[in-house]
Amino acid sequence: GIQVEQSPPDLILQEGANSTLRCNFSDSVNNLQWFHQNPWGQLINLFYIPSGTKQNGRLSATTVATERYSLLYISSSQTTDSGVYFCAVELETSGSRLTFGEGTQLTVNP
Amino acid sequence: SQTIHQWPATLVQPVGSPLSLECTVEGTSNPNLYWYRQAAGRGLQLLFYSVGIGQISSEVPQNLSASRPQDRQFILSSKKLLLSDSGFYLCAWSNGILAFFGQGTRLTVV
Repeated sequence: GIQVEQSPPDLILQEGANSTLRCNFSDSVNNLQWFHQNPWGQLINLFYIPSGTKQNGRLSATTVATERYSLLYISSSQTTDSGVYFCAVELETSGSRLTFGEGTQLTVNP
Repeated sequence: SQTIHQWPATLVQPVGSPLSLECTVEGTSNPNLYWYRQAAGRGLQLLFYSVGIGQISSEVPQNLSASRPQDRQFILSSKKLLLSDSGFYLCAWSNGILAFFGQGTRLTVV
């Protein structure tokens, strides 16, 4: 079946530090998105990035489709960045099935 | 603009009782619709998805069912709840590129 693996599972940072979150996937993708889930459970999409690189403020993401991984970079982290970061993919062979990884729990301490 | 409504926000139900969770989307037509469950911990498990009225794909054999009676309405149901059905249920819609989530229903089966 579809495999989406995220690492690390947990990450604790001091405010101002940088971090890199990784997502590995098992097959070619039509769609890859990064999401942030806040402490109240709301999921917000950060990037649509099946390939290439995008940046939005302190966040950026890169997907290397040929090597089946994506990276989410957080620079100058703030306490409001805390929460769970998810990678979700639609494989080329899976139609509209959007499958999530297990997430990375990020805690940014002041 | 598009919005997604999911209710109720919290629900406590006894074992053996029925369940009906409703999700509606406004401002778009023919969306892909999804039901996920997030148990204690982090992962989002895809339960059902739908690409059109009456078209339901079931991902995991379980005590739940889904229906899409109208283009922008997605309903999650159970005839008899089990303790293991407790969790955080999330509805989402997608335009094929980005997915947008409702605020979720926290279901506790007692």
